[in-house]
Amino acid sequence: EVQLVQSGAEVKKPGESLKISCKGSGYSFTSYWIGWVRQMPGKGLEWMGIIYPGDSDTRYSPSFQGQVTISADKSISTAYLQWSSLKASDTAMYYCARLTPVSELELFDYWGQGTLVTVSS
Amino acid sequence: EIVLTQSPGTLSLSPGERATLSCRASQSVSSSYLAWYQQKPGQAPRLLIYGASSRATGIPDRFSGSGSGTDFTLTISRLEPEDFAVYYCQQYGSSPRTFTFGPGTKVDIK
Repeated sequence: EVQLVQSGAEVKKPGESLKISCKGSGYSFTSYWIGWVRQMPGKGLEWMGIIYPGDSDTRYSPSFQGQVTISADKSISTAYLQWSSLKASDTAMYYCARLTPVSELELFDYWGQGTLVTVSS
Repeated sequence: EIVLTQSPGTLSLSPGERATLSCRASQSVSSSYLAWYQQKPGQAPRLLIYGASSRATGIPDRFSGSGSGTDFTLTISRLEPEDFAVYYCQQYGSSPRTFTFGPGTKVDIK
């Protein structure tokens, strides 16, 4: 069974750093891209970026380029999303999701349970 | 950059009724590159429809998708209690790779 298990909720202060994780199991972790999606409180879904754990090739949405860093450790089947200096506006639920090619399309077919990040002084 | 608009913002219906949700793109989109996701409160999104009209694994046939060009539709033929949720359309761009979501339509109980 394909599973993506994310790390637990975090409460941080502005200016602090943070790294959240997403551990994949039940499939070949190095063969599928993993994406990160932000959902701010009461709002919709925003794609942040994707990473290919096989070689750590990473692509960012222009909206998030330079704001976050996406990485992966294929030896432990885990992808990461990190911030060097959090802002209150980073308060959101963050989802990881597996990207699967279907014909010409790539789909987020399996999702993690989400990690709630709260940034408040 | 393609922008997706969904309407209505909220759809209030009763169980058993038909729901028709709209997704409009700011420029023409290949129907192969349009998907729909469902998100229930407190849950992660779930893939429903891809390629504009193909149902994902395990999705009941009361869900159907259609459309082409700039106008796409998700139809739920008879609403079940578990269908009350937020629905997002999503457009895939291949070069560069992008995954743009619409703002969502909330289907709630009337």
